[in-house]
Amino acid sequence: DGGITQSPKYLFRKEGQNVTLSCEQNLNHDAMYWYRQDPGQGLRLIYYSQIVNDFQKGDIAEGYSVSREKKESFPLTVTSAQKNPTAFYLCASSFSTGGNTEAFFGQGTRLTVV
Amino acid sequence: LAKTTQPISMDSYEGQEVNITCSHNNIATNDYITWYQQFPSQGPRFIIQGYKTKVTNEVASLFIPADRKSSTLSLPRVSLSDTAVYYCLVGDLNNDMRFGAGTRLTVKP
Repeated sequence: DGGITQSPKYLFRKEGQNVTLSCEQNLNHDAMYWYRQDPGQGLRLIYYSQIVNDFQKGDIAEGYSVSREKKESFPLTVTSAQKNPTAFYLCASSFSTGGNTEAFFGQGTRLTVV
Repeated sequence: LAKTTQPISMDSYEGQEVNITCSHNNIATNDYITWYQQFPSQGPRFIIQGYKTKVTNEVASLFIPADRKSSTLSLPRVSLSDTAVYYCLVGDLNNDMRFGAGTRLTVKP
């Protein structure tokens, strides 16, 4: 089945630890995105990548890092510098970043930092 | 990047038609208008996309006036399962997929 997979679905970490969220797609999409969603709020863009080995900061990139070494993969690292990391994280992909793009989303990772 | 404005919330009853309007006064010539639906604890999913006039699929219709400064998502005969958050996005050639707060639709029995 083609799709976009995020893992794990739930993640618990101690404060001060870095944690990496996985996002893999087999849709042959060029563009990938990471979002953060807090309860009752909309999606906020963290990072996005239009092509392998290239990525851009979104609106809330501080405390996060990404890599795009393979077309299929776009992992997100939540670092200890992120002040309030507990949130629902969503990954998406699309064929391009053009205006007539349709994005496909993963099922999300709910991160809880204690 | 064109900014969008949507109502924060709407209520409806089963079987009614629901229209959600999105304002995008600064829409550019190359921009498309795309709507997504999100259920709790899930990723958004694509509903419909258009450039001008009217687009219809098996789920919804999208009405775009000639000036393209607004668009209306129309959901015919909603059911309880249509309760969700609906997002309007307006994209250009460098679209970076920024979502607004969306419209929280509650369908009541």
